[in-house]
This record gives sequence, structure tokens and C-alpha cells, in this order.
Amino acid sequence: KNEVEQSPQNLTAQEGEFITINCSYSVGISALHWLQQHPGGGIVSLFMLSSGKKKHGRLIATINIQEKHSSLHITASHPRDSAVYICAVFEIQGAQKLVFGQGTRLTINP
Amino acid sequence: DAGVIQSPRHEVTEMGQEVTLRCKPISGHDYLFWYRQTMMRGLELLIYFNNNVPIDDSGMPEDRFSAKMPNASFSTLKIQPSEPRDSAVYFCASSPGPNYGYTFGSGTRLTVV
Repeated sequence: KNEVEQSPQNLTAQEGEFITINCSYSVGISALHWLQQHPGGGIVSLFMLSSGKKKHGRLIATINIQEKHSSLHITASHPRDSAVYICAVFEIQGAQKLVFGQGTRLTINP
Repeated sequence: DAGVIQSPRHEVTEMGQEVTLRCKPISGHDYLFWYRQTMMRGLELLIYFNNNVPIDDSGMPEDRFSAKMPNASFSTLKIQPSEPRDSAVYFCASSPGPNYGYTFGSGTRLTVV
């Protein structure tokens, strides 16, 4: 079993829909990253959070440390949001090492 | 700041050849990471440096892989000899320190034929 599990693995939606991507982890962490990777492109860090909620534009990330769960929400989704979204955690025991989920491939159709 | 700069963007080489990937981290970032991404295995940490010193190289696949960071502004990842199974995208990332975000480079897409 992976230490970081994401769901769903693939998600297709219509433009304008509210999107939720989930991340569960089984280890103690000091922080959690949400990353975005466009097809053939580089990796962009969207959020890093260790508690509560963060918002940037149409993107919202939440984390529940007790439940070891985080969600990434996209409001008013747009085709340009189509990308792979990756959850990654800093393990408390792992110093600076990130442990990655397998990613969620999001496709937003116009 | 230009961000993390990797070169080359693409590399195609023949099996058995030596390959050198290069990375320039963001100035002032004390941590530098080399990752490999494949369809099968996703993102994997190969090695990371703190203040130019290798801290954890447990992800380096085998002796064919080596990484150096001779100074704070430059790192290399070398594969010698290269094999087709080394084909992947190699990312370099840097960070100011613990619990700070990462900045990734654009990656080097390596194809070994």
C-alpha cells in the first residue's frame, strides 16, 4: 500500500463544474504539497500546507491532520485546469524527502 | 529570478553513452533535489543536497548514477553507461529550507535508444 493515496486517478468534467481531488496519507507529516503538472510540462507547486485551508484564485486546499486527509478543490473549472495534480507529503521522519501520490489526471471539457 | 534552470531540455543518446544533466538552483536555496519521473513509477527522489553536501542518495538506482554539487549554484547528474530503462524525465528542484515550498525546473527528457 502506498503511503500517499489519491482519488480519483482520473477525472473528467465539464467546464464550470466544481472539482474535488482527495489525498490520504498513512504517515506522520510536517507538511503537504499540492503540485500541478500540465502535459509535457514542468511541475508547479500550488500549495504547501500543514493545517487548515489555503486559497489561491479558484483553487482551495484543505487539510485535516487528525484524519490524515487533504482535498484540492477547483471552483468554476476551465479547460486550462486540465493537468495532473499530485499530492506529496513531507514525512516527519523523512527530513526533506517528499513522498508522492500517484497523481490525478483531470480533464475539463469545454 | 529565473527559477530553477535545467539543461538540456531534451537528450537522446545511444545505449552505453555517458549522459550529464545539469541544474542551476535558485540563488539562496540551500536544498537541491534530483527526481526522476516515469509512467510506471511516477516521481521518485534520486538524491538531495543540503548546502552542497549529499544528504540522502538512497534513491539512486545503481552505481551507474552519480550526482555532484561542486558549489551552491550548480549540480550535475551523470549516468554512465546509460541504458534504455533510464529513459525518463529528470527534474531538479530547490528549496530554501525545511517546510518551505519547492521550485521545480522544467525537466530534462532523456531518451536512451
